[in-house]
Amino acid sequence: EAGVAQSPRYKIIEKRQSVAFWCNPISGHATLYWYQQILGQGPKLLIQFQNNGVVDDSQLPKDRFSAERLKGVDSTLKIQPAKLEDSAVYLCASSSDRVRGYTFGSGTRLTVV
Amino acid sequence: GQNIDQPTEMTATEGAIVQINCTYQTSGFNGLFWYQQHAGEAPTFLSYNVLDGLEEKGRFSSFLSRSKGYSYLLLKELQMKDSASYLCAVDGAGSYQLTFGKGTKLSVIP
Repeated sequence: EAGVAQSPRYKIIEKRQSVAFWCNPISGHATLYWYQQILGQGPKLLIQFQNNGVVDDSQLPKDRFSAERLKGVDSTLKIQPAKLEDSAVYLCASSSDRVRGYTFGSGTRLTVV
Repeated sequence: GQNIDQPTEMTATEGAIVQINCTYQTSGFNGLFWYQQHAGEAPTFLSYNVLDGLEEKGRFSSFLSRSKGYSYLLLKELQMKDSASYLCAVDGAGSYQLTFGKGTKLSVIP
C-alpha cells in the first residue's frame, strides 16, 4: 500500500511569515495526526482528526497554528505568523487500528530564520 | 498527565546485546509501542505490547510490566544499521493517541 505522503520535504521561511504543510494519509485510514518534533526530542501531538472531525487539539497553539481535514482525507497544517521556536520537523501520521500503530510520513523540516 | 522516561543516549558494540529501558506514568494505559527513527527519517513501527511479558520478533524483543509501569526493548546481534533513536510511546486513556518519550539515541560501534 502507498504510504503517508507529505509535502514539502523542506521549508525555510523568515519569522512572521506564514507556511502550510500538506498530508495525504494511507487510503482508508480514518485517524490522522500532526506531530511536532524538535531536534533531539520525541514527537509531540499537535492535533488528532477522526475522519473530518477534530478529536483533540488541546496542544495546538491556536493563536498561530491551524489545521483542517476537509472531506476526511488529506489535511493541511498552517502556521501564521511563524516564530523561531517553530523550527522543527512536522510529522503527519495515520492509523486504522490500535494494534498496527501509526504509519508516519517522511515529515516536513521547517527552519524559521 | 503522562510522563515517559528513557535514557538519552547509549553506546554498544557490533554483535552485542543492548537493552533500552522505558518507564511511564500515565493516567490510563491501552498499550505501549516502540519505534525506530534513523536520523532525518520518520519513525517506523517496531513493536506493540498490551499484556505483561515478552514479545519476540527476530533480533528485537520488547517486554512490558504494567504493574511496574516499565518496558524495555532488547536488541540482539547488533548491526551498524541499528544506530538510530528508539522511541517509547504509550497509548493512554481515551481516544487512540500516542504520547512519546524523548527517545534514546543508540550508537553501535565496531
